[in-house]
Amino acid sequence: DSGVTQTPKHLITATGQRVTLRCSPRSGDLSVYWYQQSLDQGLQFLIQYYNGEERAKGNILERFSAQQFPDLHSELNLSSLELGDSALYFCASSVGPDRGGNTIYFGEGSWLTVV
Amino acid sequence: GQQVMQIPQYQHVQEGEDFTTYCNSSTTLSNIQWYKQRPGGHPVFLIQLVKSGEVKKQKRLTFQFGEAKKNSSLHITATQTTDVGTYFCAGLMGSWGKLQFGAGTQVVVTP
Repeated sequence: DSGVTQTPKHLITATGQRVTLRCSPRSGDLSVYWYQQSLDQGLQFLIQYYNGEERAKGNILERFSAQQFPDLHSELNLSSLELGDSALYFCASSVGPDRGGNTIYFGEGSWLTVV
Repeated sequence: GQQVMQIPQYQHVQEGEDFTTYCNSSTTLSNIQWYKQRPGGHPVFLIQLVKSGEVKKQKRLTFQFGEAKKNSSLHITATQTTDVGTYFCAGLMGSWGKLQFGAGTQVVVTP
């Protein structure tokens, strides 16, 4: 158990819909990361937050958005869903670079299936 | 753009044999990390290399960071069935940069 909690574990939704994935980082970690993993794309970095602020952005679509709340949990919002958005979405956390911690710890992921 | 390339994509290994997976970056890395993802699981941190030329060992696993801090390798000796999974390298570009993952090497072990 990495200490990173993600909900829901599985989600099936229709095209055009909107979903929210939730992540609670490890206790004491200030950085939260979101990754998308699909069969043909590997682990794609989406976005990183540190203590509530966006720190780095990857290949995140405009239909997707994320935020980190004061209690440090994070949510990834996926809207106008398309079939190609079906993937495993990982949240990960770390203590944060300014505290010497770049190692990230992954949650178990949220399986999203768009039908 | 900045990329981390990992080869091979697939590795079929006979139990007991050795193999190596390689990771190359187009830019100098602050550090490189290795993760293992078992089938149906999530990536799990294995090790971090920070210094140029650094070599670290974990039992049958040997990790190296290149002198120019642009490449790394993972060598596994006497492969066991428990080594099955996908091994990812991830390069950190700048202290606040994103951790860029390679595409992974999927390892299948034949008894």
